[in-house]
Amino acid sequence: ETGVTQTPRHLVMGMTNKKSLKCEQHLGHNAMYWYKQSAKKPLELMFVYNFKEQTENNSVPSRFSPECPNSSHLFLHLHTLQPEDSALYLCASSQESDFPYNEQFFGPGTRLTVL
Amino acid sequence: DQQVKQNSPSLSVQEGRISILNCDYTNSMFDYFLWYKKYPAEGPTFLISISSIKDKNEDGRFTVFLNKSAKHLSLHIVPSQPGDSAVYFCAATYYNYGQNFVFGPGTRLSVLP
Repeated sequence: ETGVTQTPRHLVMGMTNKKSLKCEQHLGHNAMYWYKQSAKKPLELMFVYNFKEQTENNSVPSRFSPECPNSSHLFLHLHTLQPEDSALYLCASSQESDFPYNEQFFGPGTRLTVL
Repeated sequence: DQQVKQNSPSLSVQEGRISILNCDYTNSMFDYFLWYKKYPAEGPTFLISISSIKDKNEDGRFTVFLNKSAKHLSLHIVPSQPGDSAVYFCAATYYNYGQNFVFGPGTRLSVLP
């Protein structure tokens, strides 16, 4: 248990559906992240939020829409996805400080299948 | 093109022996490296890190070695235990890029009893 929870753990959706992934961190951290892990590929950073402000968007298609209402919660809103978006979506958090490199704590992920 | 490579998708080691997991990188700006471990149905967990000002960092059974000239790092686990069986990810970053970890594809380690 890393202090980062994700729901749902598994999600199957059609290409016309709208769904949301939820992440919650109980660690008091000030930064949160969304990663995507496709089969046999490295983890890819999608979005970074620092103090609720989005600071990174790594060329992610607009069908993925993040939301960070506060420093403990992070959502990923999904709409009109494609089958190639099927992947494991991981949330992470960290405590950003003057030290430039801070360990990221990961949730268990949501396994998404797009039919 | 992958900036962080783990060329061995899998590795099997006998319990009690040494496990050596390798990682190569291409971006000479990287100056901080991390290893994460991942069990099935769980997220990656941080294991050990090393700054480029060092060539070795040790934490219990885990030691990471960094060879900057070869752009190569390795994780040594001694002695290996069955509970070490997991996927190991190497990650790299650099100052001013600190929150952007670039991950390798992972190596699946199996420690056989």
